[in-house]
Amino acid sequence: EPEVTQTPSHQVTQMGQEVILRCVPISNHLYFYWYRQILGQKVEFLVSFYNNEISEKSEIFDDQFSVERPDGSNFTLKIRSTKLEDSAMYFCASSEGQGGIYEQYFGPGTRLTVT
Amino acid sequence: RKEVEQDPGPFNVPEGATVAFNCTYSNSASQSFFWYRQDCRKEPKLLMSVYSSGNEDGRFTAQLNRASQYISLLIRDSKLSDSATYLCVVKRGGADGLTFGKGTHLIIQP
Repeated sequence: EPEVTQTPSHQVTQMGQEVILRCVPISNHLYFYWYRQILGQKVEFLVSFYNNEISEKSEIFDDQFSVERPDGSNFTLKIRSTKLEDSAMYFCASSEGQGGIYEQYFGPGTRLTVT
Repeated sequence: RKEVEQDPGPFNVPEGATVAFNCTYSNSASQSFFWYRQDCRKEPKLLMSVYSSGNEDGRFTAQLNRASQYISLLIRDSKLSDSATYLCVVKRGGADGLTFGKGTHLIIQP
């Protein structure tokens, strides 16, 4: 069964450093998403991406964040200057379409720890 | 007011019992509704979509009441493997992301 993959599984970085989290969505999917989950909190939407541009973003997705699809397979989330409060699990998701009938498949996540 | 509210639990239920969860959502523009399941430190996985007419998938039954902005999940004949956090999820439409509740923690006891 095709699945979303994410690397690395765990990233430790120092405050102020840049990090890039990587995702490989399911190959025939066209819509890509990033979510985050702070430990003990709910899953929160960050951004959706389609046709090489951002479709929608939440208030969390400020100027420190950017997304890119640098090639035909990878989808990345960059955090320019990490803060302690960026420590969370970051999930990538993809779907074939954007309507409610299309399931969003989640990757296993990258645990980001900012020290 | 929280967008999606759920009782966090935990619900401690003996194996074989029936358990029901509810959630309410605040945004009347929500168009799609789901129950996801999340195991500890794992990604959310879709359990089932929820339709206005109600729907069933094996031991799981989901109901939606748009007028009351209320979603429910019923699990019959619960198994040990049903132990997880159940996430109530809504979506407005278009390219909007999913809006998650904080989840209800279920523990099935042998």
